[in-house]
Amino acid sequence: GQQVMQIPQYQHVQEGEDFTTYCNSSTTLSNIQWYKQRPGGHPVFLIQLVKSGEVKKQKRLTFQFGEAKKNSSLHITATQTTDVGTYFCVNNQGGKLIFGQGTELSVKP
Amino acid sequence: DGGITQSPKYLFRKEGQNVTLSCEQNLNHDAMYWYRQDPGQGLRLIYYSQIVNDFQKGDIAEGYSVSREKKESFPLTVTSAQKNPTAFYLCASSITGEETQYFGPGTRLLVL
Repeated sequence: GQQVMQIPQYQHVQEGEDFTTYCNSSTTLSNIQWYKQRPGGHPVFLIQLVKSGEVKKQKRLTFQFGEAKKNSSLHITATQTTDVGTYFCVNNQGGKLIFGQGTELSVKP
Repeated sequence: DGGITQSPKYLFRKEGQNVTLSCEQNLNHDAMYWYRQDPGQGLRLIYYSQIVNDFQKGDIAEGYSVSREKKESFPLTVTSAQKNPTAFYLCASSITGEETQYFGPGTRLLVL
């Protein structure tokens, strides 16, 4: 089945540094969603991208969907300790969510 | 408050025992889902239901069973046939046709 590959698996940053996680697929995706899961918590929906080349921003978070709709990225500017958690890219296939492996972000104060 | 509840938060299973995880939602969502998460990994779909009295297998349905007798409830039974049941189980719901799924707080299942 269709898979979504996500890198890196872990990222440790100093507070104030930027962070980026990347998501790739070998096939064209109809959509990409991003979820955040805090340690010990459950995934929380952040955003959905559906258009080629789409860019959306939420405060310090910038989400991009590639022109070929095969890759996506999440960039966080000036990380804060509240950004700690695992970020998942997800492809929604008619209600069936296909999760990437996730990128675990730790932020050192 | 509207939302999804799962109980219990922690569950211990003995070898050869069936256990049932509860998932309830008062969001009036038609669709409900069960996922399994193993340490350091993403979620994998076990079962999903788009409407009452109907459900479909996900990617890892073996060793699990579900029922959908009421719109609000979608319990998951982990049977003795599931040889590696230790995991974090997450229930989710969505409005049929909508793209966003809302997750419950999860149940951690441990085998004794």
